[in-house]
Amino acid sequence: GDSVTQMEGPVTLSEEAFLTINCTYTATGYPSLFWYVQYPGEGLQLLLKATKADDKGSNKGFEATYRKETTSFHLEKGSVQVSDSAVYFCALSVQTDSWGKLQFGAGTQVVVTP
Amino acid sequence: EAGVTQFPSHSVIEKGQTVTLRCDPISGHDNLYWYRRVMGKEIKFLLHFVKESKQDESGMPNNRFLAERTGGTYSTLKVQPAELEDSGVYFCASSQDGFYEQYFGPGTRLTVT
Repeated sequence: GDSVTQMEGPVTLSEEAFLTINCTYTATGYPSLFWYVQYPGEGLQLLLKATKADDKGSNKGFEATYRKETTSFHLEKGSVQVSDSAVYFCALSVQTDSWGKLQFGAGTQVVVTP
Repeated sequence: EAGVTQFPSHSVIEKGQTVTLRCDPISGHDNLYWYRRVMGKEIKFLLHFVKESKQDESGMPNNRFLAERTGGTYSTLKVQPAELEDSGVYFCASSQDGFYEQYFGPGTRLTVT
């Protein structure tokens, strides 16, 4: 079946540090890939997405590139801020499956200190 | 425009009791999804409604869980009787159609003691 594996947290960084969260996937079809973020006390928000190989999703300084050859979608940000402290979820959806059902990884908590 | 809302935000019940969670999707969104996150693990799909019909309920763990969507608007998820392993955060999401972004609610934290 489809699955998503992402690095375990928590990841603790100082402000302005470089952030990488690894995400790899297995899928029976051709998936779309997503990063969702959950800030404290809030629901999940879509951070970025990519729908085909070599696409790069970007938003709020975060980037991730859809790598079909390595089945990966690693999230990166060059200079994190305290406000980036949150839980980040990698997810996939195979559109030939049930209409956008999302398969999530376990989530990675990121803590950014001043 | 109001986002997806869920009620209650937190529920603490004893094993064997019944709990009903409610989700109000964004107005006009035909697709409604339920997910849950147990014990800090991955968020898992439970089921998907298109309007009032269940499109996919393959993720429902067992027959103690019953989901309904009245008139294609709000949805309820009832757990009866609740067990300890049902504890977790239950998320609801809605989308305009299955290929658009899903908008998530803040979740309901269920604690079964």
